[in-house]
Amino acid sequence: KNEVEQSPQNLTAQEGEFITINCSYSVGISALHWLQQHPGGGIVSLFMLSSGKKKHGRLIATINIQEKHSSLHITASHPRDSAVYICAAVNMEYGNKLVFGAGTILRVKS
Amino acid sequence: DSGVTQTPKHLITATGQRVTLRCSPRSGDLSVYWYQQSLDQGLQFLIQYYNGEERAKGNILERFSAQQFPDLHSELNLSSLELGDSALYFCASSVGTGFTGELFFGEGSRLTVL
Repeated sequence: KNEVEQSPQNLTAQEGEFITINCSYSVGISALHWLQQHPGGGIVSLFMLSSGKKKHGRLIATINIQEKHSSLHITASHPRDSAVYICAAVNMEYGNKLVFGAGTILRVKS
Repeated sequence: DSGVTQTPKHLITATGQRVTLRCSPRSGDLSVYWYQQSLDQGLQFLIQYYNGEERAKGNILERFSAQQFPDLHSELNLSSLELGDSALYFCASSVGTGFTGELFFGEGSRLTVL
């Protein structure tokens, strides 16, 4: 079992839909990152969370440390949101190393 | 633009060869991280340097080495290359030592080993 699991692996949505991507982890963490990778390959950091909730524009990220679970929500989705979304946990048990989920491939159709 | 510069963007070489990938962090960032992204393994953390010192080590092979120079740029050296080393290699930087601050990623260096 991977230390960080994401679901779903693939997601296709219609423009305007509300999207949720889930991330669960099995190790103790000090923080969790959500990253976005576009087809060209570049990676952009969306959020870094250690508790609670953060919002940036149409993106919302939440984390529940006790339940070892985080979610990334996209409201009013748009085709430009099409990308791979990756969660990465800062694993405290191995000296604060970053462990990545496999990514969720999101396609938003117009 | 993240402010992190990686060169070269693309590199094609043969098995057994050695290559060097270079990363210039964002101005003011002291930490540099190297990651490998291959089709079958996804993103993997390789190594981190903070202000010239190795700070954390991940799944880095013995054939690979890295260093961070006094001007804070970093190089990742890959030697005795194998077909399986073909991947995207990303560098990221941050202000602090751990992973609990925002990470800024370069565009990546795509290595193809033939």
